Amino acid sequence: AAGVIQSPRHLIKEKRETATLKCYPIPRHDTVYWYQQGPGQDPQFLISFYEKMQSDKGSIPDRFSAQQFSDYHSELNMSSLELGDSALYFCASSLKASGTRQFFGPGTRLTVL
Amino acid sequence: AQTVTQSQPEMSVQEAETVTLSCTYDTSESDYYLFWYKQPPSRQMILVIRQEAYKQQNATENRFSVNFQKAAKSFSLKISDSQLGDAAMYFCAYRTENTGGFKTIFGAGTRLFVKA
Repeated sequence: AAGVIQSPRHLIKEKRETATLKCYPIPRHDTVYWYQQGPGQDPQFLISFYEKMQSDKGSIPDRFSAQQFSDYHSELNMSSLELGDSALYFCASSLKASGTRQFFGPGTRLTVL
Repeated sequence: AQTVTQSQPEMSVQEAETVTLSCTYDTSESDYYLFWYKQPPSRQMILVIRQEAYKQQNATENRFSVNFQKAAKSFSLKISDSQLGDAAMYFCAYRTENTGGFKTIFGAGTRLFVKA
């Protein structure tokens, strides 16, 4: 069965650079969630989208923005990168009509040098 | 590849009773961590309990305890004396660390309803 796809899987950036992470949900899923997990930390909810509209907002820094496109894929844009942004970024998708089970992708490992 | 399976999309429990949420995982590694997270409507991920694979003793945190069966690769969460505030989505997660960093695999979640 198709799963959530995240790209790239690994990304290395310098401080103050920008990064774009992509998430491709499971086919027919209409909701996408973004989470950040730093080393030794619990996952932090960043933001979610339902039918291309922001549905919930968590602890997403102002330097980050995200959107969901007409094909339901989502992109997380991160600007002015800081060392502390180094983390695993997970995307999850769900079919809202079926409840809120979330199927997680493998994550993108971002390293900021 | 490692996988985490939560076979129960939803569970329901009467207030003050006990409920068990199941989680199974697959891995060939011997050293890892297992977690249960609670997610309320705010979408925060709140750590409920954590288990190190090398520890045979089951972790407990007040009303929350786990039944960790390493050979069976099972990690169920027992909630005793359920309270209305326990109603939430619960995620089981597996984490491993190596020289390349850490990796986390999440289950799809179990929604817990608590009836008054």
